[in-house]
Amino acid sequence: AQSVAQPEDQVNVAEGNPLTVKCTYSVSGNPYLFWYVQYPNRGLQFLLKYITGDNLVKGSYGFEAEFNKSQTSFHLKKPSALVSDSALYFCAVRFALIYNQGGKLIFGQGTELSVKP
Amino acid sequence: NAGVTQTPKFQVLKTGQSMTLQCAQDMNHNSMYWYRQDPGMGLRLIYYSASEGTTDKGEVPNGYNVSRLNKREFSLRLESAAPSQTSVYFCASSEGGPTDTQYFGPGTRLTVL
Repeated sequence: AQSVAQPEDQVNVAEGNPLTVKCTYSVSGNPYLFWYVQYPNRGLQFLLKYITGDNLVKGSYGFEAEFNKSQTSFHLKKPSALVSDSALYFCAVRFALIYNQGGKLIFGQGTELSVKP
Repeated sequence: NAGVTQTPKFQVLKTGQSMTLQCAQDMNHNSMYWYRQDPGMGLRLIYYSASEGTTDKGEVPNGYNVSRLNKREFSLRLESAAPSQTSVYFCASSEGGPTDTQYFGPGTRLTVL
């Protein structure tokens, strides 16, 4: 079955340090991968996506993610964390094989990022 | 350009009551979705509408019905609310292709007593 996993419920980082939020997926076809961020009491905001091409994808607010096909991973990264980056982060995947199913996304369970001053 | 809007923002129901959650988008998107968010479970798809005039079940459709009223509007109805439906509900929309981004509304926080 197709699925996506975020192995860490919470990630704690000091401000100014690099951050990584992990995501792995299980696939039976080519994946399209997305990262979203959710601030408290808000909806999800799109950060970035990988469709094809360069494995390193750059997105909003200085975030980037690296697609690794051999490890079936799509980890979210930022070189220098800010306190304002503290939020809930979701990885999501859509598989090309289900193109005709209205573009459904499968979400990971979310990772709470806490950046301390 | 408001994006995706949802009403109401908050709602408290008693078990057995019914209600409809409203969603509208002004981006001329073809596809619309309803998700529920529960702690530690991410977002789970309830129903979706790939295009105007079509609706399909998602991962957790039991206890819900939907109506794609027109291209802009997609409503979610709880006919007889149960405590297990206490959740935060999000509506989203997208162009509909596999590489397209889904854009989310602000959510409705529903409590069923």
